[in-house]
Amino acid sequence: GAGVSQSPSNKVTEKGKDVELRCDPISGHTALYWYRQSLGQGLEFLIYFQGNSAPDKSGLPSDRFSAERTGGSVSTLTIQRTQQEDSAVYLCASSTLGRQGTQYFGPGTRLLVL
Amino acid sequence: SQQGEEDPQALSIQEGENATMNCSYKTSINNLQWYRQNSGRGLVHLILIRSNEREKHSGRLRVTLDTSKKSSSLLITASRAADTASYFCATAVSGNTGKLIFGQGTTLQVKP
Repeated sequence: GAGVSQSPSNKVTEKGKDVELRCDPISGHTALYWYRQSLGQGLEFLIYFQGNSAPDKSGLPSDRFSAERTGGSVSTLTIQRTQQEDSAVYLCASSTLGRQGTQYFGPGTRLLVL
Repeated sequence: SQQGEEDPQALSIQEGENATMNCSYKTSINNLQWYRQNSGRGLVHLILIRSNEREKHSGRLRVTLDTSKKSSSLLITASRAADTASYFCATAVSGNTGKLIFGQGTTLQVKP
């Protein structure tokens, strides 16, 4: 079966431009997570979707960051007016049970803001 | 902020030796998970240990959990060059919606 997929694999953009990153979770997984990983660092939690509940946005670093999950499946992370410090690998994960479940990660999108 | 702290930050061993990595955390947890990451891309889940468990095995992996000390260890026995990767612990915090809080990771190099 297909795992978590993310697109694009790599994205280079200019400072000030908006970018959209996409995540396709494993079919049937109700929980979806976004993380950010800067070079050589651990993962930083950004946002969590669970079913129809309001998302946990507590990790979003600024109001330039937003995310949607349409139809309980595909999610899009949008970064507006990108800054150089936004450069990182953005990882998406999904799981069957938010509290107990193993998270299955996508390959990530490597974002470089020039 | 990251609650997990891993130790050591980097570890270099010879093939065949055992590798031990430690993780400490600060809050009550539902479970603790270990992940592996190659080449800075997607993470692969290795093992999950629940808060009421003390030890778990999976192949060459052994994980222990001490909730009184808020710490966990990952032991890889008979290491192989292919085990070279970064290893992260992640805690599912009690009462939380389920998000994981990751440590900074241990970079393991296994020399052939």
